[in-house]
Amino acid sequence: AQKVTQAQTEISVVEKEDVTLDCVYETRDTTYYLFWYKQPPSGELVFLIRRNSFDEQNEISGRYSWNFQKSTSSFNFTITASQVVDSAVYFCALSSLSGGYQKVTFGTGTKLQVIP
Amino acid sequence: NAGVTQTPKFRVLKTGQSMTLLCAQDMNHEYMYWYRQDPGMGLRLIHYSVGEGTTAKGEVPDGYNVSRLKKQNFLLGLESAAPSQTSVYFCASSYPGGSGSNEQFFGPGTRLTVL
Repeated sequence: AQKVTQAQTEISVVEKEDVTLDCVYETRDTTYYLFWYKQPPSGELVFLIRRNSFDEQNEISGRYSWNFQKSTSSFNFTITASQVVDSAVYFCALSSLSGGYQKVTFGTGTKLQVIP
Repeated sequence: NAGVTQTPKFRVLKTGQSMTLLCAQDMNHEYMYWYRQDPGMGLRLIHYSVGEGTTAKGEVPDGYNVSRLKKQNFLLGLESAAPSQTSVYFCASSYPGGSGSNEQFFGPGTRLTVL
C-alpha cells in the first residue's frame, strides 16, 4: 500500500518569512509520480508541480522550490518570502500504476496561514 | 474553456435518498476521477475512468456507483445516502499518462450533507 504523510497540520508565518512544507511518502513501486496541489479558500485544487521517481533534481519556480530526496522518501516544498496570497491548504500526492490500475494517494494537507 | 464543472454545488439529502452528481470537462481528457474530501483525511479516490465506457474502483468505492457514457461526462451516484457520505466531492480529469504521470484538473467541488 502506498502512503503520503504531511505531518504539519497547520502552519502560521508572518509575511515575508520562508516556510517549508514537508511530505514523506511510502510506496513499493519503482515508477511513481509526486505532486503538489494548492487549495485556496475558494476550494478548487490547483496543480503546482510534478516530479517522477527517476528525477531527483530540485526545482525552483519563482518563490517556490521543491526538494525531492529519494533516500529519505521526501518531497518538500518551500515558499520563499511568503505572501498573504499563499494562504491555502497544500496537498502532496503520490500516483502510480500497479496491476493495471492507477493508484492516487493524497496526504492530509497542510494549512498555511500567512499573516500580514 | 470552462475546464471541469460540477453540478450541483450544494445538496442536502435525507438518509436513504438517492442522487447523482454530474461532472463535465471540456478539455478532451481521457481520464476522470471522483474524490471525497473529509476533514483530516485529505482526498480519497472513490472511482475513476480511463476512457468512455470504462470505470474502476478507487480506495473508497462502497456506496457509490459511476458511469462514463460520454467522454466529457462522469457521473457519481449514491443509491441510498448515509450520513457517512457527508463530504465534499471533487471531480478531476487528466490526459492519460504512463504510471499516472499527468496532473489532474479539478472541479470546484460539491458539498453534500446527508441528514
